[in-house]
Amino acid sequence: DTAVSQTPKYLVTQMGNDKSIKCEQNLGHDTMYWYKQDSKKFLKIMFSYNNKELIINETVPNRFSPKSPDKAHLNLHINSLELGDSAVYFCASRPLGYTGELFFGEGSRLTVL
Amino acid sequence: AQTVTQSQPEMSVQEAETVTLSCTYDTSESNYYLFWYKQPPSRQMILVIRQEAYKQQNATENRFSVNFQKAAKSFSLKISDSQLGDTAMYFCAFMNAGNMLTFGGGTRLMVKP
Repeated sequence: DTAVSQTPKYLVTQMGNDKSIKCEQNLGHDTMYWYKQDSKKFLKIMFSYNNKELIINETVPNRFSPKSPDKAHLNLHINSLELGDSAVYFCASRPLGYTGELFFGEGSRLTVL
Repeated sequence: AQTVTQSQPEMSVQEAETVTLSCTYDTSESNYYLFWYKQPPSRQMILVIRQEAYKQQNATENRFSVNFQKAAKSFSLKISDSQLGDTAMYFCAFMNAGNMLTFGGGTRLMVKP
């Protein structure tokens, strides 16, 4: 069983479209994250949720909206896609209060044409 | 804000030899955690090793060890007996008390046969 799963793994779409990436973790973790990895491989945090509540919201355009229906899911919705949104998006999770590592999903590669 | 710097964008090593990847960070916090993650071509983020800042002893995991110099804010990764499967991007990462994980820019390691 995949601990942190993301769907879709690959997504190709046109500028201006709206798309969503789903993330689910079956580890019972309380904290979930979205990271963006750009074409130069740089990883930057976008959002962090604790038990469905937004904790961290880095400087991200408001076209990006995270949604957490329950603590096992953190979906990322992107409106009006732009060329610069092309990247690999990683979901991650960890237990609340745990001082260890994040557990990452396999990443979702988004290509905006 | 914390920053993590990896000064070596690319490195190469012959199979079976030893290589050291550098990482420095900047923080005003006293309690924090440091990690090295590996990202092979499959793009999965894999934890290599973890170091708690309050521990003076350097962490070791099989062929992987770190040289943690807290005063110098340095956290290098040594890979002994390099194997072809070690070829990957390596990311140094810093986690503060607020549980935000900040990554360095990465080092691309190529192990040559």
